[in-house]
Amino acid sequence: AQRVTQPEKLLSVFKGAPVELKCNYSYSGSPELFWYVQYSRQRLQLLLRHISRESIKGFTADLNKGETSFHLKKPFAQEEDSAMYYCALRKVGTNAGKSTFGDGTTLTVKP
Amino acid sequence: DAGVIQSPRHEVTEMGQEVTLRCKPISGHDYLFWYRQTMMRGLELLIYFNNNVPIDDSGMPEDRFSAKMPNASFSTLKIQPSEPRDSAVYFCASFKRGGSYEQYFGPGTRLTVT
Repeated sequence: AQRVTQPEKLLSVFKGAPVELKCNYSYSGSPELFWYVQYSRQRLQLLLRHISRESIKGFTADLNKGETSFHLKKPFAQEEDSAMYYCALRKVGTNAGKSTFGDGTTLTVKP
Repeated sequence: DAGVIQSPRHEVTEMGQEVTLRCKPISGHDYLFWYRQTMMRGLELLIYFNNNVPIDDSGMPEDRFSAKMPNASFSTLKIQPSEPRDSAVYFCASFKRGGSYEQYFGPGTRLTVT
């Protein structure tokens, strides 16, 4: 069975400080990993996926298969980054539509 | 496209009443998901459909919950009878296999059961 763990429910940093939101997964096959973001009272939206290896809003995430992790990082946090972040995993292949989400991490960036 | 549409956006009801939440997925998407979001439990997958057929309803908490997808453009999630512990934000999301890799979420329905 696949599982996504976000160990921190709450994370608070000061503006300008680096931030790392942790995500670990367990899955025996080839996963696709995603980060979704939900700003206050808005819908969830995709932030980035590991395959694209891109930086969105200054965030990056590297898939580490050895450590089964997909941590989200940003070198200098901004107040507008305050939101809830969900890490998600999807199996490549059958039932490809279904994703498993972590419990989420609420990031607060203080001025 | 207007994206995934959910109605109502807010629902306040009394315990024991029937609640029906509605979702219109993005046209052409073949997967539809219902999620429940609470502070305590995060985002939980309740049920999902592929081509209007329920594939996995193992996340549906109890028999009080039921979901239908009579056609490709409409789905309902019904709670009967509702209880205060059902209070949450319910999200609908749709996905197109072979298309964009993203699940597109609706704005959610905030349900309060008093």
